[in-house]
Amino acid sequence: GNSVTQMEGPVTLSEEAFLTINCTYTATGYPSLFWYVQYPGEGLQLLLKATKADDKGSNKGFEATYRKETTSFHLEKGSVQVSDSAVYFCALRRNSGNTPLVFGKGTRLSVIA
Amino acid sequence: EAGVAQSPRYKIIEKRQSVAFWCNPISGHATLYWYQQILGQGPKLLIQFQNNGVVDDSQLPKDRFSAERLKGVDSTLKIQPAKLEDSAVYLCASSLDREATEAFFGQGTRLTVV
Repeated sequence: GNSVTQMEGPVTLSEEAFLTINCTYTATGYPSLFWYVQYPGEGLQLLLKATKADDKGSNKGFEATYRKETTSFHLEKGSVQVSDSAVYFCALRRNSGNTPLVFGKGTRLSVIA
Repeated sequence: EAGVAQSPRYKIIEKRQSVAFWCNPISGHATLYWYQQILGQGPKLLIQFQNNGVVDDSQLPKDRFSAERLKGVDSTLKIQPAKLEDSAVYLCASSLDREATEAFFGQGTRLTVV
């Protein structure tokens, strides 16, 4: 079946540090890949996505590249801010048919000034 | 554009009581999802609707959970009777159509069963 594995949290970084949150997936075929973010007290928001191999999704300084050979979609940001503190979810969705998102367990990021 | 609306935001009930959650998806979105997010875990799909028909309810505990989407717009999710392990955030999401890759989420309803 389809599944997503994320690195365990919590992750605590100082402001302006480099961020990597690892995500690997198992899927039949070639899914679309997503990163969603959940700020405290808010719903899930799409952060970025990639729909095919070698695509790079980017938004708000975050990037992730769809790597078919390693079945990975790691999230990176060069310089985090306190406002990036949130829970980050990696997810996939099969491209064929109307299928739901499958989520990882989430990684909590805390950025301290 | 208005987002996905959910109510209530919070609910506390005793075990064996019943509870209902309401969702109003983004206007024109044919697909609606209900997810359960237990603390410390990622959201897990409970049920998916396409218009007013059920596409996938394989993960819905049908002995106690039910959902409907009359007229293909609003949806309600009901739990009866509730158990302690039903404590979670219940998220509603919608997407435009079969080929849409992005789903939009509501703020969720946090349920505490005591």
